[in-house]
Order: sequence, then structure tokens, then C-alpha cells
Amino acid sequence: EPEVTQTPSHQVTQMGQEVILRCVPISNHLYFYWYRQILGQKVEFLVSFYNNEISEKSEIFDDQFSVERPDGSNFTLKIRSTKLEDSAMYFCASSPHTGPPGGTQYFGPGTRLLVL
Amino acid sequence: SQKIEQNSEALNIQEGKTATLTCNYTNYSPAYLQWYRQDPGRGPVFLLLIRENEKEKRKERLKVTFDTTLKQSLFHITASQPADSATYLCALDIYGGYNKLIFGAGTRLAVHP
Repeated sequence: EPEVTQTPSHQVTQMGQEVILRCVPISNHLYFYWYRQILGQKVEFLVSFYNNEISEKSEIFDDQFSVERPDGSNFTLKIRSTKLEDSAMYFCASSPHTGPPGGTQYFGPGTRLLVL
Repeated sequence: SQKIEQNSEALNIQEGKTATLTCNYTNYSPAYLQWYRQDPGRGPVFLLLIRENEKEKRKERLKVTFDTTLKQSLFHITASQPADSATYLCALDIYGGYNKLIFGAGTRLAVHP
């Protein structure tokens, strides 16, 4: 069964450094998302992406964040200058353009980011 | 203010019993309500989706109800098994498809043999 994959599984970085989290959505899906989950807290929406542009972004997704679909398979989240509070599990998700039903999101296994 | 509330405490039940998990929300009008399962250190896994005009949805041992008047969804697992032990997340989809999901904090279910 097709799955969303994410790399790396773990990333440790120093505060102020740039990180790029990578995702390969399910191949025939057209809608892509990033969420994050701080340890012990809720899964929070960051951004949605369709037709090569951002559809919606949350207040968390400030100028330090960007997303890109550089080719037909990868979907990346870049954090330009990491802060301690960016430490979290980051999940990529994708949705097909048709049912059943529209809107079901398939999540990847996550990248655990630790900012020191 | 807008809130999604799930049973905050862990739910412990005996194998074979029915587990019932609650999701209440305020100041939202979701088009869809979805339930996901999350195991420790893993991503959420989709289980069931119910639309605002549907009262009940079933899939194998799972059943979801949706009461838009009470602003509540109930999630039932019948004949529960230890393998059902996980955190179950309620998620609101306000516009109905392809948009952000707003998650509750989840309820941790432990099924004991």
C-alpha cells in the first residue's frame, strides 16, 4: 500500500541554523500539508499546498518557514533560522483529489526535530 | 473561544468490552469530523470520516456518531483488543475536504487482557 515517506527521521540542529525536512507524498495525490506536534501537545496545522502554491497557512507559519515542491515527487519544509521552540515532530500529509471521501489525509511517520 | 475537547484522562478497559471516546467542540461548524489513531512516535492514521448531514458511520468494529446540535461525536470500538491500545484523535474539517484539520488533544486508550 502506498505511503507518505519523510526524511530524516531525526534531526538535531543548533539554534539559528537552517533545516530542510523532506517528504515524498503518495504519488497520485495533489494536496499536501505540513503539521507539527510539540511533545505532549496537539497536532497543529502549519500549511497546505495545492497546484504549486500555498492554499492556507497558520499563524505559526511565519517568514522563517517556506515550502516547496521542487520536482514531481518531493515536498519540502524549510525553517530558515531555527529557534528552540521549533523543536517538535513534523508530519507531512497528502490527500488525493477524489474520494473516498475528499479530505482524508494520509500522514507520514514524521521527522523529530531537536533544536539546541 | 473555539475549543475541541476529548476525554482528557486515559481510558482503561477490559479486552472484549466496548470503548467509547468523546469529542466535543465549541464555536466551530465543521463540515466533516474525522477520527485518527496515533501510536507513540508515529503519524496519525485515518480511521473514519463523518459528514455533518450523517448521524452514524461504521467500519468493521468501529462506529462514529455525529450530533451537530450537541456539537459532539462519539467513537466506539466494539470487542476491543489489546492491539487497539493507542491515542485516538478527533479532527475537524471546517470546509469539507482538502483543507486543514483542527485536532483535539486525543484520548489514550489502554485495553487490558
